[in-house]
Amino acid sequence: AQSVSQHNHHVILSEAASLELGCNYSYGGTVNLFWYVQYPGQHLQLLLKYFSGDPLVKGIKGFEAEFIKSKFSFNLRKPSVQWSDTAEYFCAVRPRGFQKLVFGTGTRLLVSP
Amino acid sequence: NAGVMQNPRHLVRRRGQEARLRCSPMKGHSHVYWYRQLPEEGLKFMVYLQKENIIDESGMPKERFSAEFPKEGPSILRIQQVVRGDSAAYFCASFVDRDTNYGYTFGSGTRLTVV
Repeated sequence: AQSVSQHNHHVILSEAASLELGCNYSYGGTVNLFWYVQYPGQHLQLLLKYFSGDPLVKGIKGFEAEFIKSKFSFNLRKPSVQWSDTAEYFCAVRPRGFQKLVFGTGTRLLVSP
Repeated sequence: NAGVMQNPRHLVRRRGQEARLRCSPMKGHSHVYWYRQLPEEGLKFMVYLQKENIIDESGMPKERFSAEFPKEGPSILRIQQVVRGDSAAYFCASFVDRDTNYGYTFGSGTRLTVV
């Protein structure tokens, strides 16, 4: 069965620090990849997605992610975090030809001012 | 253009009661997913519906849970005889077509508490 691993469950950073959240998936075929953010008490919002083409994807709010096919990874990065980035971040995978998204368990990011 | 609307936002039920969760997809969207988020866990797929059809219910518990998406009106997730373990956030997502590149649009969720 397809699975998504997010190795960091909790991350604490100071403002202006750089961020990298890991995401690995287990599926040998073609996939679509997503990062969602969930601010406290709110719904999931799409940060960025990868379908094809340039493996370096830029999303909203200064986030980017890099798809490395050989490593089955889609890590999320931001050069300088802000207090307002405090949220939970979910990586998700959709194998091509399937409809449902498979989510990782999420990473809770706390940015201290 | 309203997003995906879920109601109620919070629902408290006693053990053994029924819970009905509603999801109105975005205008023009005919596909709906339901996901459940348990504390400290990611989102787990429950069911995928099109209008009047259940496409994939492989994530639905075999008993007490059912879902529908009628021709008119919202999609309903129904949980009969709720138990404490059903306490979770339930999210609905919609999209317009099987082959969309848009990704899903999620609602704000219904937080069910069983007491």
